[in-house]
Amino acid sequence: EVQLVESGGGLVQPGGSLRLSCAASGFTFANHWMHWVRQAPGRGPVWVSLTNTDGSISTYAESVKGRFTISRDNAKNTLYLQMNSLRAEDTAVYYCARSFGGYYDPWGQGTLVTVSS
Amino acid sequence: EIVMTQSPATLSVSPGEGATLSCRASQTVTTNLAWYQQKPGQAPRLLIFGASTRATGVPARFSGSGSGTEFTLTISSLQSEDFAVYYCQQYNEWPFSFGQGTTLEIK
Repeated sequence: EVQLVESGGGLVQPGGSLRLSCAASGFTFANHWMHWVRQAPGRGPVWVSLTNTDGSISTYAESVKGRFTISRDNAKNTLYLQMNSLRAEDTAVYYCARSFGGYYDPWGQGTLVTVSS
Repeated sequence: EIVMTQSPATLSVSPGEGATLSCRASQTVTTNLAWYQQKPGQAPRLLIFGASTRATGVPARFSGSGSGTEFTLTISSLQSEDFAVYYCQQYNEWPFSFGQGTTLEIK
């Protein structure tokens, strides 16, 4: 079974940092571009970042550029998102997702990040 | 950035009836358009990609159509498990973008 499991979310103060992880199983992780997508409460999903199969290419939404870093470890079948200088507006459920040329299948179950003092 | 606009925001339909959801792009996305279903507390689930291709395991009552800037998701004979929020997403150019969603509720 293809599965993505996120972890690392939680409550953090403004200006703080978190590192999210996404453990992949059931498919050849190294063959797929991977994305992070977030969804604020009651809102639609918003694309955050992507990385190519070997991690040599990464792209970010303007709202997180310079603060977030995506990476992957293909030996561990794991995707990461390092989030620094967190703001209240970064509060959301963060999903990792396997990309097929741009559409996502599947998505992980998500991990909640709450930025609040 | 391509803006995706979905209509209506909420659609009330009785079980057994059909439903038509619309999605409009602010500029052409050709057929690089996906539809997702999201139930409370769950991640989105891929239904349609390439504007009209059903994902694996998606029932035939779900169909997608359109190209360019106008797209439609049609659900025939609604089942209880179909009442959820539906999102469209364009993946024609970065940043990939989603609509704000259509909530399909039981009438």
